[in-house]
Amino acid sequence: NAGVTQTPKFRILKIGQSMTLQCTQDMNHNYMYWYRQDPGMGLKLIYYSVGAGITDKGEVPNGYNVSRSTTEDFPLRLELAAPSQTSVYFCASSYSGEASSEQYFGPGTRLTVT
Amino acid sequence: AQSVTQLGSHVSVSEGALVLLRCNYSSSVPPYLFWYVQYPNQGLQLLLKYTSAATLVKGINGFEAEFKKSETSFHLTKPSAHMSDAAEYFCAVTTNTGGFKTIFGAGTRLFVKA
Repeated sequence: NAGVTQTPKFRILKIGQSMTLQCTQDMNHNYMYWYRQDPGMGLKLIYYSVGAGITDKGEVPNGYNVSRSTTEDFPLRLELAAPSQTSVYFCASSYSGEASSEQYFGPGTRLTVT
Repeated sequence: AQSVTQLGSHVSVSEGALVLLRCNYSSSVPPYLFWYVQYPNQGLQLLLKYTSAATLVKGINGFEAEFKKSETSFHLTKPSAHMSDAAEYFCAVTTNTGGFKTIFGAGTRLFVKA
């Protein structure tokens, strides 16, 4: 199993550009998540999904959109990139939504907006 | 609402010395607590988790953590540090009322000196 994979690993965007961060998992997990990690701030939840076709906002959703057309894929779309979106983005998945369920993380995408 | 506080953004120990990383939580309902480790340029991976079965939890790579309800703490320890333990460590909390929304601490970077 590859687990959770993310592409690209690195990206530099100019202000106002758009891009999609890709995330795929091969563990047949229903639950998937997008986080951003800023220095000294831990991880903040951007969006999550409880299954194909179902998504919801997390703590910091502004400036982002998601879709979940399949169980495996959960892309994150950035529209009109801003410097405040410079961060490291992690996709994660879990088998269930139970509070005791651990999350499995991808290797991350480092995004710089200039 | 739950929260997590990790005391110390950086901890430095000598190889062979005790590792102690501190985590305090706040929750009005019984919590589930996790420690994740992040090695450079990688995603987070689970070290151990507390799910109320036992207060002393053993994880991978010789780490363990003890849940102390009276102190609202879940500190991570390892008797003897190894160079390969150098990484960033995140404490996290979820609850049944919070569902699948995990709250992460800001992280503690562990340095190991030869």
